[in-house]
Amino acid sequence: DAMVIQNPRYQVTQFGKPVTLSCSQTLNHNVMYWYQQKSSQAPKLLFHYYDKDFNNEADTPDNFQSRRPNTSFCFLDIRSPGLGDAAMYLCATSRALAAPKNTDTQYFGPGTRLTVL
Amino acid sequence: KNQVEQSPQSLIILEGKNCTLQCNYTVSPFSNLRWYKQDTGRGPVSLTIMTFSENTKSNGRYTATLDADTKQSSLHITASQLSDSASYICVVSAGNTGFQKLVFGTGTRLLVSP
Repeated sequence: DAMVIQNPRYQVTQFGKPVTLSCSQTLNHNVMYWYQQKSSQAPKLLFHYYDKDFNNEADTPDNFQSRRPNTSFCFLDIRSPGLGDAAMYLCATSRALAAPKNTDTQYFGPGTRLTVL
Repeated sequence: KNQVEQSPQSLIILEGKNCTLQCNYTVSPFSNLRWYKQDTGRGPVSLTIMTFSENTKSNGRYTATLDADTKQSSLHITASQLSDSASYICVVSAGNTGFQKLVFGTGTRLLVSP
């Protein structure tokens, strides 16, 4: 059974046209993450939510925003997509912000592949 | 700078053979090390997680080892199957308190050939 669901799986948008990617989870996890993964590269963390507390990575462009209206859902908004934003976007969840030696697994969704024309 | 390096970049083996993937890291303070399997076009799936005190952990045909002194880990796959074809990502968790930052390797792309 799918635990982290991402929609759509494939998204095509035009240069500069806003796009929203969706993530939902059935795990009731506190933390939700958004990663950007470009071809043959490691996933890059964009930001994460701990409950409603939003945490942005220092090098995440302002073009990327996120919303978490409730525990189950989290959205990634790209306000003005550029060609360089074409990538796989991965949503992940974990039970809590990791305390010392915490080994909580991050559960990843299947990803949304974004194409920018 | 926190870094995770994996080798080889890619590997082709025959079905039924064993293989070992390597991971070296320079991450401080170390919290735990994870191996993920990522099928093409899918999200990563956790295989193993090891803390500082654990030397080895198995998950079916996958066995991970950790040498915290040399900061090296390996993932051994036994009796490979076609479905093992995927990227294998080593991820090291940094931080002793609060939010743990995951440092990802770029992965080893494994192809199991019939």
